[in-house]
Amino acid sequence: GIQVEQSPPDLILQEGANSTLRCNFSDSVNNLQWFHQNPWGQLINLFYIPSGTKQNGRLSATTVATERYSLLYISSSQTTDSGVYFCAVEGRGVFGNEKLTFGTGTRLTIIP
Amino acid sequence: DVKVTQSSRYLVKRTGEKVFLECVQDMDHENMFWYRQDPGLGLRLIYFSYDVKMKEKGDIPEGYSVSREKKERFSLILESASTNQTSMYLCASSLLGGFQPQHFGDGTRLSIL
Repeated sequence: GIQVEQSPPDLILQEGANSTLRCNFSDSVNNLQWFHQNPWGQLINLFYIPSGTKQNGRLSATTVATERYSLLYISSSQTTDSGVYFCAVEGRGVFGNEKLTFGTGTRLTIIP
Repeated sequence: DVKVTQSSRYLVKRTGEKVFLECVQDMDHENMFWYRQDPGLGLRLIYFSYDVKMKEKGDIPEGYSVSREKKERFSLILESASTNQTSMYLCASSLLGGFQPQHFGDGTRLSIL
């Protein structure tokens, strides 16, 4: 099956700093999503981005499908950005078989 | 906005019990999914369904079964709970056809004693 690797596994930053999280995947994909899991365990959908660039406030994401990676940028970090960020991809499989494969996540800690 | 609701936020059960985790979505999505999340392992797919009464095994189906009698509801069943099934369980739904984002519930933290 498709492999998903995220880096770095852990990141500790001062409030106000910028960060870049990376997701590499091993095959062509139909779907790529970035999620933020908050300290209460809720999984929040940040971006649906199988290709191209999207921005939402201080967050933006870029997926280069031909090179099989995606980047999540967080600017001017705030303590509420802390949590685990997951990348998940859906491989180009059989129709009706749209399952996501998750990376193991990047744990981001923002220090005041 | 899509709403995926899981019946319990926290659940404690005993070894050998039959456990039901319920998930309901309100957006007429064809696809529904059950994942479990464990430290260091990320989220792993247990089962998914793309239609009523249809089910497909995910990556770790052993020890679990599912039921989809109505389009909006997808149940995960632990036939005889064991301590290694202590985990966070997340339900998701999406439209059929690929190129569709998945939407997640808030999760159920299940402890098997």
